[in-house]
Amino acid sequence: SQQGEEDPQALSIQEGENATMNCSYKTSINNLQWYRQNSGRGLVHLILIRSNEREKHSGRLRVTLDTSKKSSSLLITASRAADTASYFCATALQGGSEKLVFGKGTKLTVNP
Amino acid sequence: EAGVVQSPRYKIIEKKQPVAFWCNPISGHNTLYWYRQNLGQGPELLIRYENEEAVDDSQLPKDRFSAERLKGVDSTLKIQPAELGDSAVYLCASSWRTGGLGYTFGSGTRLTVV
Repeated sequence: SQQGEEDPQALSIQEGENATMNCSYKTSINNLQWYRQNSGRGLVHLILIRSNEREKHSGRLRVTLDTSKKSSSLLITASRAADTASYFCATALQGGSEKLVFGKGTKLTVNP
Repeated sequence: EAGVVQSPRYKIIEKKQPVAFWCNPISGHNTLYWYRQNLGQGPELLIRYENEEAVDDSQLPKDRFSAERLKGVDSTLKIQPAELGDSAVYLCASSWRTGGLGYTFGSGTRLTVV
């Protein structure tokens, strides 16, 4: 079963615009991670936020975490056509089994 | 440093045939995972190894799926016999840290069962 649910399922924007994707989860977590997947390729780790953190930045990426609402958001600023991919949130459960539990992903299309 | 290596990249087989996937993790990574990703879904864990021991195989359909990690390095995932519903991307990942940290994924094997 999948823990996270991303919203929206699909997002289409113009180059230069910002893209925001949201993730909700169900149970207490140790950390939450965002991954990117280009079509037909493997998953690439983007950024991790621990349960005691509220916001993290990495280049054009900004992640927030609200543990009271069990939700996270990923913001990509000044998007580029090369950002076109599917984005997944993954949670490492508190006291869990080391596995990551993924959502269904948001498919982002950045139009040039 | 080479990443997680998987082979083959693509495999097309007829239903009821056997198939095997191979994974070589990053050197020094003790933990190895096999995930399955159905079309339009996120990956789901099939099995996790700590060195050569399978420590979480609760999601592995044991009637037709088997896996091994001899010598605690590379691993093989097998399906016998394959069913149409097994069509998916099979992803291998390895990590060296606990708490769901330090994951590196391979490029996956896309299986099509016809």
